[in-house]
Amino acid sequence: GAGVSQSPSNKVTEKGKDVELRCDPISGHTALYWYRQSLGQGLEFLIYFQGNSAPDKSGLPSDRFSAERTGGSVSTLTIQRTQQEDSAVYLCASSLKVGQGGSPLHFGNGTRLTVT
Amino acid sequence: AQSVSQHNHHVILSEAASLELGCNYSYGGTVNLFWYVQYPGQHLQLLLKYFSGDPLVKGIKGFEAEFIKSKFSFNLRKPSVQWSDTAEYFCAVNARGSQGNLIFGKGTKLSVKP
Repeated sequence: GAGVSQSPSNKVTEKGKDVELRCDPISGHTALYWYRQSLGQGLEFLIYFQGNSAPDKSGLPSDRFSAERTGGSVSTLTIQRTQQEDSAVYLCASSLKVGQGGSPLHFGNGTRLTVT
Repeated sequence: AQSVSQHNHHVILSEAASLELGCNYSYGGTVNLFWYVQYPGQHLQLLLKYFSGDPLVKGIKGFEAEFIKSKFSFNLRKPSVQWSDTAEYFCAVNARGSQGNLIFGKGTKLSVKP
């Protein structure tokens, strides 16, 4: 079946511009996560959504970052006034209900963001 | 707050060598533990997980990991690596039964020489 789909796969933007990254999770998965992967930094948690509950935004690095999930499905991560340090691969993952013991995350291929 | 430490940044082995990648976590409660793998050019995928029961868990491709609660460790092992095991390996933890997110270590890059 279809996996987690992210778009675009690559995005080059100028410093100061806003960008939107999209994630389409696996159908039926109620939990959705955004991570950032930078060289040597591993996976940095950004935000997750669980059903209709308020999202956990504790990982967002600044108020320039925001995310929403419409209708419990597709999610958009928005970065305003991009900076060069925002350059990274942004990964989206989905899973069955968070907290359900051992539910694995299914990752998309990521969006590689380059801020020039 | 939970955290995960992976001791080795880059491990280089020859084929048929044995592998052990260290992972320690910090959290006082009950946890779920995972190892994910990212092969070159591919997305992250689950290698194995520990939820409960036998602390020695077996995953795909001959990998196994042992949960040692007293040491807060979940080391990954494979008796004989292959060139195709070249990848980056990530240990991850989340708190059982909570709405906590999945926290990852910084990853260990494994290079296997043919």
